[in-house]
Amino acid sequence: QKEVEQNSGPLSVPEGAIASLNCTYSDRGSQSFFWYRQYSGKSPELIMFIYSNGDKEDGRFTAQLNKASQYVSLLIRDSQPSDSATYLCAVPHGSSNTGKLIFGQGTTLQVKP
Amino acid sequence: DTAVSQTPKYLVTQMGNDKSIKCEQNLGHDTMYWYKQDSKKFLKIMFSYNNKELIINETVPNRFSPKSPDKAHLNLHINSLELGDSAVYFCASSLGTYRLSTGELFFGEGSRLTVL
Repeated sequence: QKEVEQNSGPLSVPEGAIASLNCTYSDRGSQSFFWYRQYSGKSPELIMFIYSNGDKEDGRFTAQLNKASQYVSLLIRDSQPSDSATYLCAVPHGSSNTGKLIFGQGTTLQVKP
Repeated sequence: DTAVSQTPKYLVTQMGNDKSIKCEQNLGHDTMYWYKQDSKKFLKIMFSYNNKELIINETVPNRFSPKSPDKAHLNLHINSLELGDSAVYFCASSLGTYRLSTGELFFGEGSRLTVL
């Protein structure tokens, strides 16, 4: 089992819809979870992080964490064509002191006008 | 000002050649990394340095040799290039490994290596 798993997609949603991106992880001891966005041909950039069970909202983005079920999701409300990108879920490996971040394979989101 | 800069952005070379990628960050960060992203977008850590000291060395062929002359620079040298080395190599930095609890990696623009 991979440490961090995502459905590679593509996930296609119409403009204005809610896009739901999911990620599961294998290490029950994981404490923090991150979503990076990567536009085609560009580098990843951090858009959200979450530590606690429940929801964390930032503008149109909501991260949801369920540690018991070992999944974390990202909801994008009112999806825009500019949201079309690959979304990478990431989890620190073991102790965060090692600096090792494990990425999922990413989900490609396509928002159609 | 570019925070994390890599050169070159593109490399096209023949199998068996040796190549280097340079990385510099002006963020004052203590930790720098090399990540490899394959054609399926899978991003995997290769090395990390904290204040010039190697702290992560993943299962990477020893044809890959990182060097950190100071904490603002991390270079990657690859010997005897193989077809499977074709990928995008990203340099990244963070304030410190302890700060990775916030997941804040700042990535360079990437260096696309194509081995023919």
